[in-house]
Parts: sequence; structure tokens; C-alpha cells
Amino acid sequence: DARVTQTPRHKVTEMGQEVTMRCQPILGHNTVFWYRQTMMQGLELLAYFRNRAPLDDSGMPKDRFSAEMPDATLATLKIQPSEPRDSAVYFCASGFSGGNTQYFGPGTRLTVL
Amino acid sequence: QQPVQSPQAVILREGEDAVINCSSSKALYSVHWYRQKHGEAPVFLMILLKGGEQMRHEKISASFNEKKQQSSLYLTASQLSYSGTYFCGKYRGTGGGNKLTFGTGTQLKVEL
Repeated sequence: DARVTQTPRHKVTEMGQEVTMRCQPILGHNTVFWYRQTMMQGLELLAYFRNRAPLDDSGMPKDRFSAEMPDATLATLKIQPSEPRDSAVYFCASGFSGGNTQYFGPGTRLTVL
Repeated sequence: QQPVQSPQAVILREGEDAVINCSSSKALYSVHWYRQKHGEAPVFLMILLKGGEQMRHEKISASFNEKKQQSSLYLTASQLSYSGTYFCGKYRGTGGGNKLTFGTGTQLKVEL
């Protein structure tokens, strides 16, 4: 049963620290999405990749967030430096391009103190 | 621009029906529906395509009115397992950046 995996599942850190979240998409999927979910803003798209190339990162604060896909089996989202307002659940999803189904990972719950 | 969902929240008794609406200010190629249970990830329910038929997932069905740029999710004879937050996602193809934009969600609680 193919699934998207994310690590870590929970992260508590102090303001100013670097945070790296990792995602392994479902093998064969060519599109990877990063979402942030908060009570106030709902599900926000931060960035997405097609065939490992970044297509859209307009939802991401550029000064502190960065997203990469070093290979087809790994996507990373990095926050440096982290701030309390970054506290949220971060989801990774993968799928096939063209508006098809997205399969979500379990999420990383980030708390920045 | 985020699709608008209504209602924001609804409480049902088991066996009752509900309708969740999703509206967009721009033309849509397709509408996607997801359900998220508390503490879990969103899970895909169905896609409605422009010009396509009404879709169904168990006792949940959905329709897509292209002219009104609106989709509705129909939950029939609700079960406890239907509880969760329902999100619609709009897809506008290249014009929308080839990405889904999710609505604000509708919280559904089914009680005994």
C-alpha cells in the first residue's frame, strides 16, 4: 500500500532555530506539494514541484522558507530562522500532474516556542 | 482566490442528510473533494470534471454546475464515520497555475 511519508511527525523548537521537514512521495508520482494548515488560514499551498523542478513557491515566505527536491524520492522544506507564527501542521502531498488526485502524507506538527 | 464553502459547520444526527456547497468566482476545470478527520491528513473523495457526470463515494455524491461555478456535496443517511472537515479544491488548469486551491472547509459532526 503506497503512501507518502513525512518526518518528523512532531517537532518542537525554539524561535530562531532551523527546522527541516522531509517528505518521501509515492514512487512514480511526478508532482509534490507542500501545504501548511492552521486554524486561521486553513490549507495553504506553499510550493510545488513537477518532475523535481519548482513550479510555484508564491505561497512561501521567501526570506525564511526554502523547498527543494534533491531527488525523486525526497522533498524538503526548510525554515530558517523559525518564528512562533510558523507553528502549524505541514503536509506534503504527491500525485500525477494535470489536476489529478493528491495523496497526503501524515503531516509534521511544528511548534515554535 | 479561495473557493467559498457553506455552511462552515453542521451537526447531524445519524441518518440525516446534509449538503455542502463550494463556490468559485472563476471558471473551473474540475472540483476535488477531500475529507479530513481530526488529527489526520486530508483524504481524497472524488473529482468532478467539467462536462462530467455526478460522482459518488459510498453514500456521498457530488455535482458540478459549470455555469454557476459551483459544486455541491450530498451526504445521504449520514454515518458517524462521516464526521470530519470537508474541503473542496478548485482546479483551473494552466490559468490557475496547475494547482488546487482549497476552500476554507466545512466541519461536519454526526452524532447518535
